[in-house]
Amino acid sequence: AQSVTQPDIHITVSEGASLELRCNYSYGATPYLFWYVQSPGQGLQLLLKYFSGDTLVQGIEDFEAECKTSQSSFNLRRPSVHWSDAAEYFCAVVRGGGGADGLTFGKGTHLIIQP
Amino acid sequence: DAMVIQNPRYQVTQFGKPVTLSCSQTLNHNVMYWYQQKSSQAPKLLFHYYDKDFNNEADTPDNFQSRRPNTSFCFLDIRSPGLGDAAMYLCATSKLVPGRVRVGTNEKLFFGSGTQLSVL
Repeated sequence: AQSVTQPDIHITVSEGASLELRCNYSYGATPYLFWYVQSPGQGLQLLLKYFSGDTLVQGIEDFEAECKTSQSSFNLRRPSVHWSDAAEYFCAVVRGGGGADGLTFGKGTHLIIQP
Repeated sequence: DAMVIQNPRYQVTQFGKPVTLSCSQTLNHNVMYWYQQKSSQAPKLLFHYYDKDFNNEADTPDNFQSRRPNTSFCFLDIRSPGLGDAAMYLCATSKLVPGRVRVGTNEKLFFGSGTQLSVL
């Protein structure tokens, strides 16, 4: 079954520093991958998605992610974080069967921004 | 303007007392999902509607039901809530275009802000 793994439960980054959140996927064919962000008590907001083509995808603001099939990874990056980026970040993959089946989410990575 | 609206924002119910959570959308999307997200866990799909077709996940307890009376509204009914059902419930929508490559059509899920359910 398609799945994603986020190996880091918590990540602490200094404000202004670069960010990389890890995501590994397990998928039988070309993966369809997403990154979502969730602020406390809120729903999920899409940051970016990868379907095909260029493996480096740009998202909202200056988030980006690269799908590396050799490593089965889809890590999220941002060159400089802001205090408002503190949130929970979820990597997701389209579920098997496609169509309307929705997404399977990783367990999330909690991003902490320190001054 | 909110496109996927969940009411109420917070819901408190008693153990065993039926409760209904609602979701409405202004996007005219043909697919609506209900996810359950327990504290510090990933959202877990409970079921979805593709138009009027109901699709239940194999591991969704029978205690959870759903209704979709029209395109805009979808309800989550918990018949006898237990303490373990306390969670954030997220509604999401997407547009599936028949005839297109199936996965590619599921381009984006629009999420509501969720309903936080407490069971006393």
